[in-house]
Amino acid sequence: QKEVEQNSGPLSVPEGAIASLNCTYSDRGSQSFFWYRQYSGKSPELIMFIYSNGDKEDGRFTAQLNKASQYVSLLIRDSQPSDSATYLCAVNVIIQGAQKLVFGQGTRLTINP
Amino acid sequence: EADIYQTPRYLVIGTGKKITLECSQTMGHDKMYWYQQDPGMELHLIHYSYGVNSTEKGDLSSESTVSRIRTEHFPLTLESARPSHTSQYLCASSGSGDFANEQFFGPGTRLTVL
Repeated sequence: QKEVEQNSGPLSVPEGAIASLNCTYSDRGSQSFFWYRQYSGKSPELIMFIYSNGDKEDGRFTAQLNKASQYVSLLIRDSQPSDSATYLCAVNVIIQGAQKLVFGQGTRLTINP
Repeated sequence: EADIYQTPRYLVIGTGKKITLECSQTMGHDKMYWYQQDPGMELHLIHYSYGVNSTEKGDLSSESTVSRIRTEHFPLTLESARPSHTSQYLCASSGSGDFANEQFFGPGTRLTVL
């Protein structure tokens, strides 16, 4: 089992709808969770982080964390064509006593005008 | 302005050449990382450093080497480039503290070995 799993997609959503991206993780001790956006040919850009159970909102983005079920999700409201990108989930894990950030394989999101 | 820089942005080079990819950050971060990413594929951690004179190999075996002589500088070297090294190389850094694992990425170096 991979430490961080995402559906690779592609996920296709009509413009103006809500895009929902999901991520599950295996390390119950993980405490910090991140969502990165990566446009084709560009480097990942941090868009959200969440440390506590529940929801965290930032503009059109909402991160949701459920530690009991070991999943974290990202909702994008009023989706725009500019949101089309690959979204990477990253989870802090402890490996051999050291904290490391483990990335999922990413979900490719396409917003259709 | 605090940032993370990579040079060159693009490099096309012949087989057997020695190359060094540069990465510098002005954010005062202790931790720095190198990732390798093929188009449309996952990020793979190849090297990381938690401070000066500290370097570790990552999850993906790589023929490259790194050094960390100064906090702000983390260069990656390939002694003899091969076509299999063709990829995008991303440098990242993060700070210290309880939850300071937010990694900030440089713009990347796209390497093509002919």
